Amino acid sequence: DQQVKQNSPSLSVQEGRISILNCDYTNSMFDYFLWYKKYPAEGPTFLISISSIKDKNEDGRFTVFLNKSAKHLSLHIVPSQPGDSAVYFCAARANTDKLIFGTGTRLQVFP
Amino acid sequence: SAVISQKPSRDICQRGTSLTIQCQVDSQVTMMFWYRQQPGQSLTLIATANQGSEATYESGFVIDKFPISRPNLTFSTLTVSNMSPEDSSIYLCSVEGGEFGPGTRLTVT
Repeated sequence: DQQVKQNSPSLSVQEGRISILNCDYTNSMFDYFLWYKKYPAEGPTFLISISSIKDKNEDGRFTVFLNKSAKHLSLHIVPSQPGDSAVYFCAARANTDKLIFGTGTRLQVFP
Repeated sequence: SAVISQKPSRDICQRGTSLTIQCQVDSQVTMMFWYRQQPGQSLTLIATANQGSEATYESGFVIDKFPISRPNLTFSTLTVSNMSPEDSSIYLCSVEGGEFGPGTRLTVT
């Protein structure tokens, strides 16, 4: 039972353009969502989060959108840079419980 | 935010042996978590470790295979026991704020 899904295993975007990574969830009890960036052989690095009481959170080039009715969130990166190339995981939790991770999307930003 | 370190960063172990991974946090935290990332897979929670109580294991993970200690509010260990090649993974500790350690890359031959 995959409660958090990232249906696109990979995404390729040209430098300077927008990258949009999507995530769907099934558990309506989730109230906090996070995006992580992960390089091979390293731990995940926290990027941005959003509480279920909001529908948007912005931090520099990163914006997360939450659509609770659709149980969908997305991460927008603009402008995309080659250093953004990594695997991105969305994660969700209910209350202060454990994080449930999606399957990840590998983003490649090419010149 | 918490800063987390793990030891060892990587290891190559023989089948049937055990490895203990250490996780140190620079501040006191109530909840610590141990995750596993198998090659090409997502992060899967192994167990939640709270100080002063037994760890809570997720479905598919048992204490005999993955014993955990949590002696204080800044430290935890995870042991991978009687290892097989299927245990080759990156093992990660995390804390309640969502921060992760750098991971321990384990290869079992």
